[in-house]
Amino acid sequence: QVQLQQWGAGLLKPSETLSLTCAVYGGSFSPYYWRWNWIRQPPGKGLEWIGEIDHSGSTNYNPSLKSRVTISVDTSKNQFSLKLRYVTAADTAVYYCARGKVEETTMRTYYSGMDVWGQGTTVTVSS
Amino acid sequence: ETVLTQSPGTLSLSPGERATLSCRASQSVTSRYLAWYQLKPGQPPRLLIYGASSRATGIPDRFSGSGSGTDFTLTISRLEPEDFAVYYCQQYGTSPQYIFGQGTKLEIK
Repeated sequence: QVQLQQWGAGLLKPSETLSLTCAVYGGSFSPYYWRWNWIRQPPGKGLEWIGEIDHSGSTNYNPSLKSRVTISVDTSKNQFSLKLRYVTAADTAVYYCARGKVEETTMRTYYSGMDVWGQGTTVTVSS
Repeated sequence: ETVLTQSPGTLSLSPGERATLSCRASQSVTSRYLAWYQLKPGQPPRLLIYGASSRATGIPDRFSGSGSGTDFTLTISRLEPEDFAVYYCQQYGTSPQYIFGQGTKLEIK
């Protein structure tokens, strides 16, 4: 049973850097089809995808956040991390890590959803 | 960039009733790339449906997904008390790789 456990600072001041880490327990980090994601939900709003990384370190970011986001991976520890620079009050949200599955064949690509999620971390940005 | 519009914004029903939630895309979406999630307060999202119509592991068969092109539907055949939550559709695509709809709140009538 794969589990994701996440942690990081919950209270930040404007202009600081948000830093969260997500550890993968009970499963392999490496198969090519796993994508390790960060998603957030601001208070009273919907879900917003932040970015993803695979075991090789290849990343994709939401264009709306790309200039401030870095996602990295430490395969030796089965962990991946999120850094979001220059936070403002608009970055206040519950942040989740999640595992997604994207299988690419010569003919087609299959997306199987994000099936395992971390417990969520509430991050508040306030002066 | 594709926009996913979910309707209705809020759906008020009673346990035992049938719920039909809609997700409409601003441009055609490959069915293989469409997923649905359930979100309850204080809990992480739960994957319900992927590939537009395939149930995720452990999801009861009262949940079903359908649709193609720009119109997708999540149906809950007989509502249980634990089904009242917010539901999101999601598309896998390119830049951004993942887009969520704005959500439908399913509340007890």
